[in-house]
Amino acid sequence: GENVEQHPSTLSVQEGDSAVIKCTYSDSASNYFPWYKQELGKRPQLIIDIRSNVGEKKDQRIAVTLNKTAKHFSLHITETQPEDSAVYFCAASRGSGGSYIPTFGRGTSLIVHP
Amino acid sequence: EPEVTQTPSHQVTQMGQEVILRCVPISNHLYFYWYRQILGQKVEFLVSFYNNEISEKSEIFDDQFSVERPDGSNFTLKIRSTKLEDSAMYFCASRVNRDRGGTDTQYFGPGTRLTVL
Repeated sequence: GENVEQHPSTLSVQEGDSAVIKCTYSDSASNYFPWYKQELGKRPQLIIDIRSNVGEKKDQRIAVTLNKTAKHFSLHITETQPEDSAVYFCAASRGSGGSYIPTFGRGTSLIVHP
Repeated sequence: EPEVTQTPSHQVTQMGQEVILRCVPISNHLYFYWYRQILGQKVEFLVSFYNNEISEKSEIFDDQFSVERPDGSNFTLKIRSTKLEDSAMYFCASRVNRDRGGTDTQYFGPGTRLTVL
């Protein structure tokens, strides 16, 4: 089955700095890679996703890059703000059709210091 | 914007008791999921459900677990005889079938915190 590794487990930055979270996956058939933000005690919320036919996707201060050959993808947050503080989970899955089961990474606790 | 809802928000039960966790997926979604998250750990897949039957299940989803869509709106997870290690946050999620022009995005409910004493 799929195995997703996520690093670092904790990331502490100053407000305004950039933050990068990296994930690797094992199943070369995985083709959909969502990123979720989970604030303390709340539900995971999708913040950005990327499909395997795209190498990079950007949404305001958030971007995701995908390297299919190396089987890794990364989340980039620029100009971090205190409200970005949360746990971020990456996931990998084979999307569409009947079988779509994301395998999650262990999460990165991002702390943005004002 | 429509959201997935779950009830109750917190369920406390005695070991060996049955619990039913309830979810109302987003109305036009076709795929439904249950996940669990033990405190401080990653989200783990339990089961997916489509067209009134289980599509896939993980090794966590043993005979003590069952799912049901008793009517057109509710999606339930039943644990027949709870164990201490079942204590976790249980999330329901739903998605539109991408093959019908939807996306792969899964939308999560707020979760039910299950505490087994």
